[in-house]
Amino acid sequence: DTGVSQNPRHKITKRGQNVTFRCDPISEHNRLYWYRQTLGQGPEFLTYFQNEAQLEKSRLLSDRFSAERPKGSFSTLEIQRTEQGDSAMYLCASSKQLMRAGSYTDTQYFGPGTRLTVL
Amino acid sequence: GESVGLHLPTLSVQEGDNSIINCAYSNSASDYFIWYKQESGKGPQFIIDIRSNMDKRQGQRVTVLLNKTVKHLSLQIAATQPGDSAVYFCAGPLTGGTSYGKLTFGQGTILTVHP
Repeated sequence: DTGVSQNPRHKITKRGQNVTFRCDPISEHNRLYWYRQTLGQGPEFLTYFQNEAQLEKSRLLSDRFSAERPKGSFSTLEIQRTEQGDSAMYLCASSKQLMRAGSYTDTQYFGPGTRLTVL
Repeated sequence: GESVGLHLPTLSVQEGDNSIINCAYSNSASDYFIWYKQESGKGPQFIIDIRSNMDKRQGQRVTVLLNKTVKHLSLQIAATQPGDSAVYFCAGPLTGGTSYGKLTFGQGTILTVHP
């Protein structure tokens, strides 16, 4: 399977603990995105990388959140001092700009997500 | 502010019927839209996309229509099957041009297909 992969798929932790999630994008995709999704809502953007550069961060990304993509391939999302409000599905997506019919497209393909539960 | 939203939160159809899922957006600068299907416990799955220089695009059993005048797009699923049951999201980038970044998602429409 050459799709986006995420690990772990599920994480249960106690409030105050640190957690780290990993995302492996589709090979050769230069962009990588992190989203958060709560029950009954659409995904909300957190941050994205182009190669190893972090280009944008959402206001949702508090100081307790940090994301890295050190070699422009896989990425990690760390949450420090977790709170119950951090419980959500954390989704990763990747993309590569392609020229199609004279215009660029940048379709994002999502991984299966990491379900975080903070007790 | 800019948003991408959906008219109906739920849609129930009989197997074999055609389904239409609607989406309204407010940012006239949005020039690229994607429809995703999300099954329970899974990540969103790409279905079809459309650029604003097109009014219609067809895929396998799916058609997306874009009406820029009223800032509305729809996803039509032909001969709906039980396996089509899922939540459907439309999404779009806030920034136009050739550099796309974050997507804004609508709330989603729950499609239920009855055998």
